[in-house]
Amino acid sequence: DAGVIQSPRHEVTEMGQEVTLRCKPISGHNSLFWYRQTMMRGLELLIYFNNNVPIDDSGMPEDRFSAKMPNASFSTLKIQPSEPRDSAVYFCASRPKTGASNTEAFFGQGTRLTVV
Amino acid sequence: AQKVTQAQTEISVVEKEDVTLDCVYETRDTTYYLFWYKQPPSGELVFLIRRNSFDEQNEISGRYSWNFQKSTSSFNFTITASQVVDSAVYFCALSEAKAAGNKLTFGGGTRVLVKP
Repeated sequence: DAGVIQSPRHEVTEMGQEVTLRCKPISGHNSLFWYRQTMMRGLELLIYFNNNVPIDDSGMPEDRFSAKMPNASFSTLKIQPSEPRDSAVYFCASRPKTGASNTEAFFGQGTRLTVV
Repeated sequence: AQKVTQAQTEISVVEKEDVTLDCVYETRDTTYYLFWYKQPPSGELVFLIRRNSFDEQNEISGRYSWNFQKSTSSFNFTITASQVVDSAVYFCALSEAKAAGNKLTFGGGTRVLVKP
């Protein structure tokens, strides 16, 4: 299995531009998570999905952030418009089976976003 | 609500010393799961160990061992005879069995620096 795949690995964009981060979870995994990691705030859970349905988006910082999961094999995290304070590493993770809280989450390599 | 606290922000040791990382958690659930992840300088998040709340037996796996104590809500992690390659940020995480959608909450992380 290729694991969780995120793209792009690195993104540099100008303030005000739209940014779209992409994630392909591991096949068969039903839960998908978006995390953001910064030096100041550590690893923050932004939003997570179960069976393609958003369960909790309370971690999404502002309306500028939105996430979708149109099918079981693809999710996007969009920032529009982007701001310098959005600069961070964004991780996507997936877990197998709803309710399987004893299984570990598998993480992608992350997308390092820099907004200048 | 679930919460994970890692009070140690950074630990520095000399190679071959043992390192113990503290983790304290909060949960209202009687069934929950605890995890340790490692994030080396390359940036990926690597799963290390998992523990169920109903199994307090402590174990050793190679140079890793963990001490799970429900009475104090602690799940400490020890690296024996540390090596330079152990230098990384270590995260403790919690997942409640009743939490909707498999939510996984991370602590703030502890940076471990192993000097030769």
